[in-house]
Order: sequence, then C-alpha cells, then structure tokens
Amino acid sequence: GAVVSQHPSWVICKSGTSVKIECRSLDFQATTMFWYRQFPKQSLMLMATSNEGSKATYEQGVEKDKFLINHASLTLSTLTVTSAHPEDSSFYICSALYNRGQETQYFGPGTRLLVL
Amino acid sequence: EDQVTQSPEALRLQEGESSSLNCSYTVSGLRGLFWYRQDPGKGPEFLFTLYSAGEEKEKERLKATLTKKESFLHITAPKPEDSATYLCAPYLYNFNKFYFGSGTKLNVKP
Repeated sequence: GAVVSQHPSWVICKSGTSVKIECRSLDFQATTMFWYRQFPKQSLMLMATSNEGSKATYEQGVEKDKFLINHASLTLSTLTVTSAHPEDSSFYICSALYNRGQETQYFGPGTRLLVL
Repeated sequence: EDQVTQSPEALRLQEGESSSLNCSYTVSGLRGLFWYRQDPGKGPEFLFTLYSAGEEKEKERLKATLTKKESFLHITAPKPEDSATYLCAPYLYNFNKFYFGSGTKLNVKP
C-alpha cells in the first residue's frame, strides 16, 4: 500500500509555544489530505480537510486560527498548533487520499503531542 | 443526520473462535465504505474498500461484506495478532470526507 509519514512522532512542549507537524505522502501525490485528532480510547475526530493550493476546510468547532494547516505541495501538508495549551495534548493523525482507480485513504503513524 | 454505528464496542474471542463485527450507517450519497485496523498508539491501517451492495473482499482471515444499510467484517479462526480496534468509515459523494465509527475493540486470547 501507499506510504504516509508524519514528523515528529512525538513532541513535548511548553504552554504558549507553537508546534508544527508534517505529513508527507512518500510514493504518491495527494491533492487531498486530512487531519484528525484522537483522544484516548476514542475514535478519530476529523479536524480539517486540506487541499493542495487552497485553504483548508475546517470542521465545526475547530479553531482555524489555533490549528493552522498548509498544503503547499502535492506531497506535504503541515499542521501548526499555535500557542499550545495542555488541553491541546492529544494524538494527531494525518491521512492522504490516494486516487488511482479506486479512492483510498492512507494514514500516517500519528504524532503524540504533550503540552506542559 | 448522517450516522455510523459500530457494534459491539468490545469483543473478546478465544483463538480460533470466529465472529463478525457490524457497521451500520445512515448516510446519503455513499461513495464507498472503508475498513481499517488500528493498533494502540498507531495510525489506522487500511484493510478494505467496498463500493456496492453485495460486494465482498477477503484478506487472510478477514472478509468484509456490504449491504445498503450495513457492513460486516467477518473474522475466521482469529489469532492473537488480530487483536486491535477495527474502524469502519463511510465516504460520501457530496462531501470529501470520511465518517468514522467509534470502532470495535477486538481481543483474541490464545
């Protein structure tokens, strides 16, 4: 299957700092990428849909100024958590839409963020 | 309102004891339905895509089926390494996004 990477895999930061998470599709081009957040023992919560070359579409209740998404190329999307606070601590997972014949969504390994 | 419900929430099986997981959905404009497996602390791993009622797909001990209202993931003679959370996700025509169910946590004991 197609490969999606995320970096970093985990990060610890102080409250008030900003954190950038990268999501890359390694062996295919993805015009659409998704960003999810997952709390312990819960399912994936879609935060936003990222389309290459255009503004991201945020889900209801997700602060676009807090979670900045940039999809600058067909293989890279970034999520920046601005002025992070402890309540932003979570597991963030990206995915890329693979579209060759049949559409499939491939996920990255996730990034665990801990804000102190 | 679009909804996805997975049952049971948790399932404990003995090794070799076959069973089925259910994914019920009430969405309009279904484009496809996806099944994923997620291990703790990792991103979901793609298993299957189903596009039309009556379609079936198999991979090792897993078989996924689709009807107009629900999908089943059948596990035949499971092994402990099949223990994971299984997620289903309908994908809609009109909205470029996936709706994830809450998942079924499967625990297979040796």
